[in-house]
Amino acid sequence: GESVGLHLPTLSVQEGDNSIINCAYSNSASDYFIWYKQESGKGPQFIIDIRSNMDKRQGQRVTVLLNKTVKHLSLQIAATQPGDSAVYFCAEPQVTGGGNKLTFGTGTQLKVEL
Amino acid sequence: DAMVIQNPRYQVTQFGKPVTLSCSQTLNHNVMYWYQQKSSQAPKLLFHYYDKDFNNEADTPDNFQSRRPNTSFCFLDIRSPGLGDAAMYLCATSRDRRERINEQFFGPGTRLTVL
Repeated sequence: GESVGLHLPTLSVQEGDNSIINCAYSNSASDYFIWYKQESGKGPQFIIDIRSNMDKRQGQRVTVLLNKTVKHLSLQIAATQPGDSAVYFCAEPQVTGGGNKLTFGTGTQLKVEL
Repeated sequence: DAMVIQNPRYQVTQFGKPVTLSCSQTLNHNVMYWYQQKSSQAPKLLFHYYDKDFNNEADTPDNFQSRRPNTSFCFLDIRSPGLGDAAMYLCATSRDRRERINEQFFGPGTRLTVL
């Protein structure tokens, strides 16, 4: 089965509020994760990544937290805007015999209400 | 701007009629990937090319084939599309397979409808 998965399929937030999207993984050896944003009708877009030697990483309005003890990571979006409406995936890249494979989690649909 | 381009954006085909989807890139990346994304699901890797080396995922049906005639172009061929093959097909590129942290750049996708 997949090594990453999400708790909630849909998250609705008010504009201006903070959003938290969660992701669980099962492989304790996993050491690198990426968050992707996919807007309707578009391909996934890289948001932020984190390695297992870090607990927290911040970008512009986004923060990713990694809790290796419970095998959980989260994406926090500050001051959520209508343009943040999208599906968010956590993903784990894995080097295979032939290449670099992304295994995506289920995805969370973020809906921003005005 | 350097980018990943997919044509067509929407493709309609008939059950059993072969169809080819196209991907091109101006990033000069040596790895190109094809993902299948069904409605409300996550993308799933079908196969990828590292330069001219083809790497198939174990669970990719034989109905799906790929060609990479040069660095810039990669094609996805579906020999006999079934209704279950209706999906968004995403092409992605990355710089080098050995760098796990290398970002994959995705195209906008081709939405395939099978009638």
